[in-house]
Amino acid sequence: NAGVMQNPRHLVRRRGQEARLRCSPMKGHSHVYWYRQLPEEGLKFMVYLQKENIIDESGMPKERFSAEFPKEGPSILRIQQVVRGDSAAYFCASSPPTRVLFFGEGSRLTVL
Amino acid sequence: ILNVEQSPQSLHVQEGDSTNFTCSFPSSNFYALHWYRWETAKSPEALFVMTLNGDEKKKGRISATLNTKEGYSYLYIKGSQPEDSATYLCAFQPFGNEKLTFGTGTRLTIIP
Repeated sequence: NAGVMQNPRHLVRRRGQEARLRCSPMKGHSHVYWYRQLPEEGLKFMVYLQKENIIDESGMPKERFSAEFPKEGPSILRIQQVVRGDSAAYFCASSPPTRVLFFGEGSRLTVL
Repeated sequence: ILNVEQSPQSLHVQEGDSTNFTCSFPSSNFYALHWYRWETAKSPEALFVMTLNGDEKKKGRISATLNTKEGYSYLYIKGSQPEDSATYLCAFQPFGNEKLTFGTGTRLTIIP
């Protein structure tokens, strides 16, 4: 049973470009969470999704950030018109009904 | 804003010694307290999910206690080994909410 798969592991973008980060949850998990780790900070909640639904997006910046978890395919975190402050590690986690989180290895975004 | 604090921030322990560190969290609206272990270049892995006041959980040489009335949890490691070197994260989950608020972690280094 493969773990939570995130790709790309490393992404470099120039200011103003778009970043798309993908997360495939573990088999059988219908809950997906995105967390962001800024340099020298802890994991900060961004968004919680179930299939085709955003349940809680209280941690998402109001502009430029969006997330989806379609019926088919991975969850995608999309950042439009990236700025240097978006440079961070973005972690996806999935969970079964027990709510224990299983994390991916993260996608590290660097904005030049 | 939920405040989850961990102390100390970092810790160096001689191999074979026992150690412990603290997580403090809001005592109101409590649902669960999670502990995760995060090795460098890997993804966080769940150690414990604790829900009941006075609960004590154990996994090998690692154990944790929970006091929901005063809002703290201790993680203990007995007879530290080099493979215990990692960052230990705790996360607070409020009642009726899937969102975990993480502390910034305790970085443990075991000195051989």
